[in-house]
Amino acid sequence: DGGITQSPKYLFRKEGQNVTLSCEQNLNHDAMYWYRQDPGQGLRLIYYSQIVNDFQKGDIAEGYSVSREKKESFPLTVTSAQKNPTAFYLCASTPTGASSYNSPLHFGNGTRLTVT
Amino acid sequence: AQKVTQAQTEISVVEKEDVTLDCVYETRDTTYYLFWYKQPPSGELVFLIRRNSFDEQNEISGRYSWNFQKSTSSFNFTITASQVVDSAVYFCALSATWMDSSYKLIFGSGTRLLVRP
Repeated sequence: DGGITQSPKYLFRKEGQNVTLSCEQNLNHDAMYWYRQDPGQGLRLIYYSQIVNDFQKGDIAEGYSVSREKKESFPLTVTSAQKNPTAFYLCASTPTGASSYNSPLHFGNGTRLTVT
Repeated sequence: AQKVTQAQTEISVVEKEDVTLDCVYETRDTTYYLFWYKQPPSGELVFLIRRNSFDEQNEISGRYSWNFQKSTSSFNFTITASQVVDSAVYFCALSATWMDSSYKLIFGSGTRLLVRP
């Protein structure tokens, strides 16, 4: 079955360390997204990529970086510059970025990152 | 402004009760889409429904129904005869134009529904 795989499910890091969250999809989708979810808040867009080797900043990109070297993969790095990195991170995809306004997002199961 | 408001932070009902989750949106776009997603305890968001701004017909799917009212900018979600498995966080979302003419989803803050046996 096709889907999005995020790993690991839980991640613990010390403050000051960079950490990379994995997101892999086998849906053959062009567009991929990273969202952050904090308790009692909706999802906020960190970065998105409409095509391989291209990505754009979302609403809260500061302290994060991404790469899109392969269609299937869109890893997110949480850098030490991110002031409040503890959160639940969700990766998503849609068939094409151009039609993403009416395409439902397919989500992974998320990674819960705790930084102490 | 482009915004989605889910004023109900948490709702608790007893099994078999009907429950309505409210969603109010603001948008400057004339064409837009609205979505509902369910987030069970496992964490993954599950797509429930999509509605475009030109289609104000209400929709029913089993125990779920949606009431889209453009005049009041609302897209409410009703669960009839709720079940314990309906316990989850429900998000309403609006597609919105973005700076580079692409689109993004704007999510409400979510409503946590607890259905007690």
